[in-house]
Amino acid sequence: SQQGEEDPQALSIQEGENATMNCSYKTSINNLQWYRQNSGRGLVHLILIRSNEREKHSGRLRVTLDTSKKSSSLLITASRAADTASYFCATDETGANNLFFGTGTRLTVIP
Amino acid sequence: EAQVTQNPRYLITVTGKKLTVTCSQNMNHEYMSWYRQDPGLGLRQIYYSMNVEVTDKGDVPEGYKVSRKEKRNFPLILESPSPNQTSLYFCASKEQGARTEAFFGQGTRLTVV
Repeated sequence: SQQGEEDPQALSIQEGENATMNCSYKTSINNLQWYRQNSGRGLVHLILIRSNEREKHSGRLRVTLDTSKKSSSLLITASRAADTASYFCATDETGANNLFFGTGTRLTVIP
Repeated sequence: EAQVTQNPRYLITVTGKKLTVTCSQNMNHEYMSWYRQDPGLGLRQIYYSMNVEVTDKGDVPEGYKVSRKEKRNFPLILESPSPNQTSLYFCASKEQGARTEAFFGQGTRLTVV
């Protein structure tokens, strides 16, 4: 399987704290993307980082990419209860032109 | 409004009764894909399509068929559903190319009894 892996599987924090999720993948990539899923709903795209980028910001989101370690992290700063959701990384693999998703991290933000 | 539409949203069926889950997108995307989501396993790809009449197997294609006769539609067919195909199914589409995001349908929750 080309599926990536995320850790932790579940994360519970207090509102206002920062949340960090990690993603590891297996092959060379064109880009890596992060998606959010509210319970049982469709996934929504959050941010895309290209293979030649090391860090990217979007609002309260910060994504890093280390292609030498084949890993990425998503940081959500100043978390809110509304950030409660599952977060998935997806890799757009070189030559495959296909998207492979990780196993996801379930984030719970306690008000 | 740009969207991916799946139907039905919920379906309960019996073992062996053929069914089709439809997926349609209005963004003229070349790439479309089907995933199933099971607890603890994330999203696993079933089939994907790079364009009309071009389909390829994903990680878990057994028991499924697809077709891509038109650019906008990518139906998922279960010829003889079994209980292990009980799952949450998602259709996605995106533009071809290396820097594009995927758009997802709202999901189809299938129960096979």
